[in-house]
Amino acid sequence: NAGVTQTPKFRVLKTGQSMTLLCAQDMNHEYMYWYRQDPGMGLRLIHYSVGEGTTAKGEVPDGYNVSRLKKQNFLLGLESAAPSQTSVYFCASSYGLSSYNSPLHFGNGTRLTVT
Amino acid sequence: AQTVTQSQPEMSVQEAETVTLSCTYDTSESNYYLFWYKQPPSRQMILVIRQEAYKQQNATENRFSVNFQKAAKSFSLKISDSQLGDTAMYFCAFMKSAGTYKYIFGTGTRLKVLA
Repeated sequence: NAGVTQTPKFRVLKTGQSMTLLCAQDMNHEYMYWYRQDPGMGLRLIHYSVGEGTTAKGEVPDGYNVSRLKKQNFLLGLESAAPSQTSVYFCASSYGLSSYNSPLHFGNGTRLTVT
Repeated sequence: AQTVTQSQPEMSVQEAETVTLSCTYDTSESNYYLFWYKQPPSRQMILVIRQEAYKQQNATENRFSVNFQKAAKSFSLKISDSQLGDTAMYFCAFMKSAGTYKYIFGTGTRLKVLA
């Protein structure tokens, strides 16, 4: 089983460039999330989605946009990259809200460097 | 707002010994879920153990167990018979049982198991 797949694994951007990170899950999960991980700050939620066609802001949404046109895909876009967006980005998904099916399944992360 | 605090940025333990990682949280909710996730050097986040707040019995998964003290808002992770493969970053996470789909993560504890 593929689980949660993120592409690309690494990327270097120049300030002002744009890019899209793709997250795909094959577990029929309803909920999908984008986190960023920075040293000493843990994981912070950027945006999340509770179902196809829905998105919502997390803790640190500024400078990012997302779309969930299909249930299995959750895209994270950076319209104009800034050095402050240098980070490791994780996509995650979960089936529902009960303890049994609420644990997050994570992708392997994307290391993004903005110069 | 909920917060999760992991006060030990780094810890080390000798192979085969026992180590306890601390996590405290702040919430006014009566029911919620707590998790420990492991992030090895490969970067893949893996669920270690979970606990539902209304269950008084501490969760156990093989060598991993928790000490859940609801009144003290404490959720520590005990790793018994530590193995080299336990070397990783460990994150404590909190999620309300209703009304939100967001997980709150602590800043992590980096655990190194020494041979």
